[in-house]
Amino acid sequence: TQLLEQSPQFLSIQEGENLTVYCNSSSVFSSLQWYRQEPGEGPVLLVTVVTGGEVKKLKRLTFQFGDARKDSSLHITAAQPGDTGLYLCAGTQTGANNLFFGTGTRLTVIP
Amino acid sequence: DAGITQSPRHKVTETGTPVTLRCHQTENHRYMYWYRQDPGHGLRLIHYSYGVKDTDKGEVSDGYSVSRSKTEDFLLTLESATSSQTSVYFCAISELDNTEAFFGQGTRLTVV
Repeated sequence: TQLLEQSPQFLSIQEGENLTVYCNSSSVFSSLQWYRQEPGEGPVLLVTVVTGGEVKKLKRLTFQFGDARKDSSLHITAAQPGDTGLYLCAGTQTGANNLFFGTGTRLTVIP
Repeated sequence: DAGITQSPRHKVTETGTPVTLRCHQTENHRYMYWYRQDPGHGLRLIHYSYGVKDTDKGEVSDGYSVSRSKTEDFLLTLESATSSQTSVYFCAISELDNTEAFFGQGTRLTVV
């Protein structure tokens, strides 16, 4: 059972385009984290959102946590080749000793 | 970068043999985790530790055991490797439970 579903699974866009990646669940999470993973490396944390409706910005990346804390989105403005990678969302639930990871979105930005 | 070292980075082993993967940290973080990453499944928790000699099972613990005799080392053992355990294994650490996790570079294990 996959608690967190990410869409799209693959995304290939031209440099300069905008994109949105989604992370959805039927379960409530106490927090949501977004990671980026490059080939041959471990995931690296980008941001943590904890409050329903929260929006965080990291340069050209905008992260939003759904009001009901069941979903999240990552929007990238004017994508660059350096944004290429696997984007993973991960959620925490109260009382659970685990980060539940989504299946990931593999983004390719073409120069 | 957080001080996490996984060894070996690559390993090929035969079905039925025991295999031990090592994770070493220099951050003195309390929590340590072992995940496996497979296409279509994302990262799945195998075992985790919340202190020396304190470990617990994760989502996919069958066929795996762990030990943590020192704060800095967390070992993952495949008792009798099977082809289904071919995967990339990641160690992660965190200071508090389920907060920001820092990952190692991974170990690519192939069981033939």
